[in-house]
Amino acid sequence: EDQVTQSPEALRLQEGESSSLNCSYTVSGLRGLFWYRQDPGKGPEFLFTLYSAGEEKEKERLKATLTKKESFLHITAPKPEDSATYLCAVRETSGSRLTFGEGTQLTVNP
Amino acid sequence: DTEVTQTPKHLVMGMTNKKSLKCEQHMGHRAMYWYKQKAKKPPELMFVYSYEKLSINESVPSRFSPECPNSSLLNLHLHALQPEDSALYLCASSQGLLAGAYNEQFFGPGTRLTVL
Repeated sequence: EDQVTQSPEALRLQEGESSSLNCSYTVSGLRGLFWYRQDPGKGPEFLFTLYSAGEEKEKERLKATLTKKESFLHITAPKPEDSATYLCAVRETSGSRLTFGEGTQLTVNP
Repeated sequence: DTEVTQTPKHLVMGMTNKKSLKCEQHMGHRAMYWYKQKAKKPPELMFVYSYEKLSINESVPSRFSPECPNSSLLNLHLHALQPEDSALYLCASSQGLLAGAYNEQFFGPGTRLTVL
């Protein structure tokens, strides 16, 4: 059974203080690891898809990386508007479902 | 355009009411999904439609009835719900379910449902 574990559960940063969120996964065969951002009361917003170990993608202050066992979402010089819950999800080769982690709630203080 | 729209934004209903949630996408996607999300929890898959046919039903109670009238529209019909069904209901779409298809799911803003 696919498993996705995100850490930490919650992270509080000062504006400009860079950090990383972790997503560890166990699947029989990976057909995509997805990062989403979700603001309270809204739908998840798609950020990145990673397909193979060694792949990296960037968008503004966010950079996602992938190894065979985990993915990191690096946040460089965060701003208060980066505060949100970040969700990681995986899709295995044989299935069509996404398995989500529990999310990391990020708060960036000014 | 990566927009999925959902109506209504908020819905309050009694346990004897019948209501429907609507979802629309114009990205040419052939897979559409319904999710339920409780506070501080990740989305939980309910139904998947592929090419307008029901592909996955995650053992959802029959008081939830999905419908896919065409490739752009997805409805969720609600009847005799319970207070514990109160949640954020999310619709999503993706290019498809086939092995070669990109499978980024794009989510709508959700419908906040309260069952009294």
